[in-house]
Amino acid sequence: GIQVEQSPPDLILQEGANSTLRCNFSDSVNNLQWFHQNPWGQLINLFYIPSGTKQNGRLSATTVATERYSLLYISSSQTTDSGVYFCAVVPTAPGNAGNMLTFGGGTRLMVKP
Amino acid sequence: DTGVSQDPRHKITKRGQNVTFRCDPISEHNRLYWYRQTLGQGPEFLTYFQNEAQLEKSRLLSDRFSAERPKGSFSTLEIQRTEQGDSAMYLCASSTRRDRVSEQFFGPGTRLTVL
Repeated sequence: GIQVEQSPPDLILQEGANSTLRCNFSDSVNNLQWFHQNPWGQLINLFYIPSGTKQNGRLSATTVATERYSLLYISSSQTTDSGVYFCAVVPTAPGNAGNMLTFGGGTRLMVKP
Repeated sequence: DTGVSQDPRHKITKRGQNVTFRCDPISEHNRLYWYRQTLGQGPEFLTYFQNEAQLEKSRLLSDRFSAERPKGSFSTLEIQRTEQGDSAMYLCASSTRRDRVSEQFFGPGTRLTVL
């Protein structure tokens, strides 16, 4: 099956700093989503971005589908940005008509005040 | 739109007992998914429904697990004869059918602890 790798696995930032999280995937995809998992376990949708660039406030994301990677940018980080960031993909491969997501291992972000 | 809801949020049970979780998807979402997340890992797919039909099941879904979605609305996930290895967060997600590939939205999860 498709492999999804996220880097770095852990990241500690000082409040106000910028960061870039990376997601590499091993095969072509129909769908790519970025999530933020809060300390209570809720997965919060950040971006639905199979290709191109999107921005939402201090967050932006870019997916280069032909090169099989996506980047999540966090600018002017805040303590509330702490948590785990997951990238998840739906491979294009036949037999995935249900569009099941395959998740990466996540990036654990801690923003210190 | 009230979002995906799950009940209960937490469940503590003894090994060997049966447990059942419920998921209510976003209204009019005809696709419903169950995922399982163990500590320190990303969620893993368990099973998928389109309307009331269960169309995909992961190899992770042993014969002790059963899921239903009667009438294509809410879904239940039952685990029989629970084992300590079943301790995990069980997540439900839903999506629409309008797009060939569509965005999934997750519920808050049910955290299961098997003693």
